[in-house]
Amino acid sequence: NAGVTQTPKFRVLKTGQSMTLLCAQDMNHEYMYWYRQDPGMGLRLIHYSVGEGTTAKGEVPDGYNVSRLKKQNFLLGLESAAPSQTSVYFCASSFGQGKGETQYFGPGTRLLVL
Amino acid sequence: AQSVAQPEDQVNVAEGNPLTVKCTYSVSGNPYLFWYVQYPNRGLQFLLKYITGDNLVKGSYGFEAEFNKSQTSFHLKKPSALVSDSALYFCAVRDYTDKLIFGTGTRLQVFP
Repeated sequence: NAGVTQTPKFRVLKTGQSMTLLCAQDMNHEYMYWYRQDPGMGLRLIHYSVGEGTTAKGEVPDGYNVSRLKKQNFLLGLESAAPSQTSVYFCASSFGQGKGETQYFGPGTRLLVL
Repeated sequence: AQSVAQPEDQVNVAEGNPLTVKCTYSVSGNPYLFWYVQYPNRGLQFLLKYITGDNLVKGSYGFEAEFNKSQTSFHLKKPSALVSDSALYFCAVRDYTDKLIFGTGTRLQVFP
């Protein structure tokens, strides 16, 4: 199994450009998450999905949109990129969202917005 | 509010010595605690978790963590550090909505 994969690995955008980050998992997990990681701030939840066709806002959702059209894929979109969105983006998935459930992470996408 | 704190930005230890990476938490109700490790340019890898039961939890790569309810701590430990253990370590706790709340991370540097 590949686990959780993310595309692309690295991207440079100009302010105002749009892009989509793709996350795919082959573990048949119901739950998927998008986080951003910034220096000194740990990981913060952007959006998440509890199943195909569902999405919900996390801690820092502004400026991002998501879609979960297929169970195995979770897309994160930036409609108009801003320098504040320069970050490392991680996707994660889990079988459930119970207290003891473990989240499994992808390798990350490094995004630079100029 | 649910929170987790990692009081040390960096921990330095010599290879072969024991290591401890500290984590304290604040939750209402029973805590569910996790440790993850991030190697350079890689995603987070799950190390271990505490749900209930024994206060000493054993995980991957020889790591273990000690849950202490009275001190609200969940420190990560290893009896003998390796240079390859050098990485960024994150502690996390489940909040009341079952989301994971992450600490700010501790960079572990193991010197030969």
